Amino acid sequence: GENVEQHPSTLSVQEGDSAVIKCTYSDSASNYFPWYKQELGKGPQLIIDIRSNVGEKKDQRIAVTLNKTAKHFSLHITETQPEDSAVYFCAASGTYKYIFGTGTRLKVLA
Amino acid sequence: DAGITQSPRHKVTETGTPVTLRCHQTENHRYMYWYRQDPGHGLRLIHYSYGVKDTDKGEVSDGYSVSRSKTEDFLLTLESATSSQTSVYFCAISNGARQGTEAFFGQGTRLTVV
Repeated sequence: GENVEQHPSTLSVQEGDSAVIKCTYSDSASNYFPWYKQELGKGPQLIIDIRSNVGEKKDQRIAVTLNKTAKHFSLHITETQPEDSAVYFCAASGTYKYIFGTGTRLKVLA
Repeated sequence: DAGITQSPRHKVTETGTPVTLRCHQTENHRYMYWYRQDPGHGLRLIHYSYGVKDTDKGEVSDGYSVSRSKTEDFLLTLESATSSQTSVYFCAISNGARQGTEAFFGQGTRLTVV
């Protein structure tokens, strides 16, 4: 069935360093790839997304890349700050269902 | 924030009792979803709805049923709660455009089955 694998499950970086989270999806029909940030006690919120006709998208310190051939997509956060500490989820969507990865807990150490 | 309200926010119930969680939206979005979040499993889809009275199963639907009698309300029912259903439940909505659109999440309901 449809599956999204996400790595790593936890990631600790020093403030100012970069963080990279990687996901792999199985459904070739997937054409929309959002990334969500979840802070403690809250629901996930979209931080960036990419569609299948685009290879890379950037929004200030965050960027997402997509390799459709390899079915890989990644989240890149540069110049990390303490407020970036949260759980991050990737997802893949082909129609109107969203299949999520298992999440990455990012800790930014001051 | 998108207009999504989940109720209750917290609930403790006993094994074997029925439980209903409610999701209410004010965005008039067509699609509504119920997910559960558990450590190590991320967000797993329980059921979803693509219109009034139109629902379908997700990957972890056993032990759950849903109903959608109005566009704005999507109910999740645990017919006979079990300890394995202790989890945080999230409702999400989207307008479901073909090219993919953002899903908006509610604040979650923490359910404990004792």
